[in-house]
Amino acid sequence: DGGITQSPKYLFRKEGQNVTLSCEQNLNHDAMYWYRQDPGQGLRLIYYSQIVNDFQKGDIAEGYSVSREKKESFPLTVTSAQKNPTAFYLCASTKMTGAAEAFFGQGTRLTVV
Amino acid sequence: GDSVTQMEGPVTLSEEAFLTINCTYTATGYPSLFWYVQYPGEGLQLLLKATKADDKGSNKGFEATYRKETTSFHLEKGSVQVSDSAVYFCALGTSGSRLTFGEGTQLTVNP
Repeated sequence: DGGITQSPKYLFRKEGQNVTLSCEQNLNHDAMYWYRQDPGQGLRLIYYSQIVNDFQKGDIAEGYSVSREKKESFPLTVTSAQKNPTAFYLCASTKMTGAAEAFFGQGTRLTVV
Repeated sequence: GDSVTQMEGPVTLSEEAFLTINCTYTATGYPSLFWYVQYPGEGLQLLLKATKADDKGSNKGFEATYRKETTSFHLEKGSVQVSDSAVYFCALGTSGSRLTFGEGTQLTVNP
């Protein structure tokens, strides 16, 4: 079945450490997105990518980095510069940017310990 | 820029009550409109969509009509169930630009 897979589902990080969240899709979608969701809040866009080897900052990119070396993969690194990283992270993809339906992964819950 | 405004929640209803969640938007161009649903601890799932003015999207008893004249896409269901308890997000997308989501509305349906 086609879909979008995030791993791990739960992740614990010590302060000062970088961690990488995985996002893989086998839908042959062009665009991929990373969102952050805090308890009781909406989605905030971190980064998005429309094509391989290109990506754009979203509204809250500081303290995060991404890469898009393959069409199927869009990993997110939460760096030590992100001061409040505890949140639920969602990856999504669309066939084309904007007007198409988005498919979401199941999310990764990151907790700083 | 593009924006989506949803009615503030949380919304609490009794089973079999009528549901309306308001959504209005601001966009350049001709956006597609979407409603997504999020169950606890999960990602978002597409509930319904409409791609042009006067289109009605429907799924699982939910409906929404794309109203260009009022820039609205209100979600309705005639008789909610306990299993409909979730967070609902209105969103818009314009070709060539990023998706824009509303803040989400928490719905709780009591038996």
